[in-house]
Amino acid sequence: KAGVTQTPRYLIKTRGQQVTLSCSPISGHRSVSWYQQTPGQGLQFLFEYFSETQRNKGNFPGRFSGRQFSNSRSEMNVSTLELGDSALYLCASSLGTQGPEAFFGQGTRLTVV
Amino acid sequence: TQLLEQSPQFLSIQEGENLTVYCNSSSVFSSLQWYRQEPGEGPVLLVTVVTGGEVKKLKRLTFQFGDARKDSSLHITAAQPGDTGLYLCAGVYAGNNRKLIWGLGTSLAVNP
Repeated sequence: KAGVTQTPRYLIKTRGQQVTLSCSPISGHRSVSWYQQTPGQGLQFLFEYFSETQRNKGNFPGRFSGRQFSNSRSEMNVSTLELGDSALYLCASSLGTQGPEAFFGQGTRLTVV
Repeated sequence: TQLLEQSPQFLSIQEGENLTVYCNSSSVFSSLQWYRQEPGEGPVLLVTVVTGGEVKKLKRLTFQFGDARKDSSLHITAAQPGDTGLYLCAGVYAGNNRKLIWGLGTSLAVNP
């Protein structure tokens, strides 16, 4: 059974640009959550999608958005990038209907210069 | 707002030593999980605890959930270099729609 796949693994962007990150969950999992991880703030929850609908949302500005497709794959978009957006972006998948156990991808390391 | 406190923040020990890390909150969890994260990788789920007072063992790792379900500990016996990593706890508070709340983690280094 394939794990959670995130692409790309590494990304360098300049301030003001936008970026789209992709996540393919474990087959059969309908929930995808996105997190931002930085050394000082730890794992910060961005949002969760379940069956193409946003089910939970964290406290991030509107520049951060996401969506989920009918095959459960999810994308996250960040517009007007700022230096402070540099972080490891993690995607986690789960069944979404039972326990909250999350299975993470390897993450996308975004560097904004 | 940081709702889960993990301690210590950093720990550096020699191979063969024992250690305990802690995860504390002022609120009651409906469930709590421990993860380990290695550099450049995503966190990997180690265990889920649900019942107050529950103890679970995973080889040399022992996880305990407090009776009041407000705290948890992870004890590692005879640590090995392969145990090096960031240990994260994450909890779900009753009634918060299944959203995981994360601690900042304990960064463990086991030196050979």
